[in-house]
Amino acid sequence: DSGVTQTPKHLITATGQRVTLRCSPRSGDLSVYWYQQSLDQGLQFLIQYYNGEERAKGNILERFSAQQFPDLHSELNLSSLELGDSALYFCASSVVGGGLLNTEAFFGQGTRLTVV
Amino acid sequence: GNSVTQMEGPVTLSEEAFLTINCTYTATGYPSLFWYVQYPGEGLQLLLKATKADDKGSNKGFEATYRKETTSFHLEKGSVQVSDSAVYFCALSERSSNTGKLIFGQGTTLQVKP
Repeated sequence: DSGVTQTPKHLITATGQRVTLRCSPRSGDLSVYWYQQSLDQGLQFLIQYYNGEERAKGNILERFSAQQFPDLHSELNLSSLELGDSALYFCASSVVGGGLLNTEAFFGQGTRLTVV
Repeated sequence: GNSVTQMEGPVTLSEEAFLTINCTYTATGYPSLFWYVQYPGEGLQLLLKATKADDKGSNKGFEATYRKETTSFHLEKGSVQVSDSAVYFCALSERSSNTGKLIFGQGTTLQVKP
């Protein structure tokens, strides 16, 4: 158990809908990262929050947004869903916001999103 | 930009065989390098890491050496077990960056047969 909790584990929804994925980081970790794992794109970094503030942005679509709350949990909102958004979405957390020199990122088990 | 390239899988080996999974990287800075493993139905777990040139990361019989001259971080294990069957990801993170984001290779599936 990594200590990172993601809910729900599975989600099936229709095209055009909106969903929210939730992530609770390990106790004491200030950074939360979101990654998307799909068959065609592999594992792609989406966005990072550090202590409530956006720290870095990757290949995140404009239809997607995220936030980190004062209790440090994070939510990833996906809207106007398309079939191609079907993927495994991972959350990870780390103590620091910068380079992982003396620490590591811990991953949750992921949320599998299926858009039908 | 930064990128990681792994050998394509799947790799199928018999138990006790020697394993090598190749990984090369491109980075503008001086990255830290990682191997993550994903067992079926689970999230990614850090397997090993190295933060500077010539460092060797090791864990559970797996090893990888940070080779700056060849920009490589190949994963090796002398004798694989059925329980090593998983997907292996090579990744990098910029050491001096203000973000801990990881850039992953495409993953290599390893299947070990008894």
